[in-house]
Amino acid sequence: GAGVSQSPSNKVTEKGKDVELRCDPISGHTALYWYRQSLGQGLEFLIYFQGNSAPDKSGLPSDRFSAERTGGSVSTLTIQRTQQEDSAVYLCASSTDRGPSYEQYFGPGTRLTVT
Amino acid sequence: AQRVTQPEKLLSVFKGAPVELKCNYSYSGSPELFWYVQYSRQRLQLLLRHISRESIKGFTADLNKGETSFHLKKPFAQEEDSAMYYCAPLRITYNNNDMRFGAGTRLTVKP
Repeated sequence: GAGVSQSPSNKVTEKGKDVELRCDPISGHTALYWYRQSLGQGLEFLIYFQGNSAPDKSGLPSDRFSAERTGGSVSTLTIQRTQQEDSAVYLCASSTDRGPSYEQYFGPGTRLTVT
Repeated sequence: AQRVTQPEKLLSVFKGAPVELKCNYSYSGSPELFWYVQYSRQRLQLLLRHISRESIKGFTADLNKGETSFHLKKPFAQEEDSAMYYCAPLRITYNNNDMRFGAGTRLTVKP
């Protein structure tokens, strides 16, 4: 019974480079969320996948950010041309769409540092 | 616009004192509400959900539809309660479960 996993756990990159962050949700969970957690900024919603529906991208801060979810399972968050303000912990969570509980299960996060 | 407000970024109390973490929501319909907690060096995890009317680790939260609030309370805070707390309302629509978190409140319980 593995939980949500994320890789890498830490990523240091130079400004201007592209990065890919991976999330493996709990098997069978149809909903997948990406959040960004910055010091002093709390938890910022980025994007939400639900089954086969079009993703809710309303939280993505700029067009440098994009995410995919292949086969309804693994998701990749891509940040192009990274900037220093992108430095944060990126969290992934998954949940079932079956009631009554919609508890989100979180991964350990990827700490991104842009130098 | 749908919104979750946690007005206090930081909250500090002494051990044994009562604590209340505030959460107000602005959501259409009747959302379900949750409190999540992140202890130091641990994953973000569910603390309690209003639909269960449960008390977890001495914490309770009452949904007040009139005030659109879901404040988290504990009568006697403990040092191990020090953590980051997030309120989250879930809006369920057809084929879409939209859960967005508040900005969070960092609780420090001093000895």
